[in-house]
Amino acid sequence: AQSVTQLGSHVSVSEGALVLLRCNYSSSVPPYLFWYVQYPNQGLQLLLKYTSAATLVKGINGFEAEFKKSETSFHLTKPSAHMSDAAEYFCAVSGGQAGTALIFGKGTTLSVSS
Amino acid sequence: SAVISQKPSRDICQRGTSLTIQCQVDSQVTMMFWYRQQPGQSLTLIATANQGSEATYESGFVIDKFPISRPNLTFSTLTVSNLSPEDSSIYLCSVTQGKNAGYTFGSGTRLTVV
Repeated sequence: AQSVTQLGSHVSVSEGALVLLRCNYSSSVPPYLFWYVQYPNQGLQLLLKYTSAATLVKGINGFEAEFKKSETSFHLTKPSAHMSDAAEYFCAVSGGQAGTALIFGKGTTLSVSS
Repeated sequence: SAVISQKPSRDICQRGTSLTIQCQVDSQVTMMFWYRQQPGQSLTLIATANQGSEATYESGFVIDKFPISRPNLTFSTLTVSNLSPEDSSIYLCSVTQGKNAGYTFGSGTRLTVV
């Protein structure tokens, strides 16, 4: 079975500061890992995904994440926060086999102050 | 990637009634997934629908409350039965098209039960 734990339900940063959103996973098989963003009253948007290729994954809007098997982590980072980054962020895991569902973490709300 | 048409986009229903949500995919997919997103919460997997067999429900979700139809490889419906205000949520369908493919989500159905 797969699961993800997002540490910190709410993260606040200043504009221009580093963004770090934490995600740890548990999986009985090699995992596929995803980060999604959801803006208020909007649908899910895929930021990036890890599917067993390069461990450092670059996504949209300047975000990136590094898969660390030894730490069972897949933390999301962005060097410099922008006001438009304020949103809800979800980490998700699947077992990698065709036909398995995504399992989502509880989400982290990112606030960006000027 | 697949394109999903989900209907209705929103509805307001009386308690005790039912709502059927439809998802049409523009290509054949083996598995379809149904999720619920309660207000301010993350996505929770309701069930996995495989064409030609009974849907597989997650813990806490039962067929009598959430019957699912999967008549072919491009279409599925989720019915939310005997509605109560606690069923007010966004319901989403999702598909994946293979081991290294991402997941596509419908635009969601926002249900309000009054």
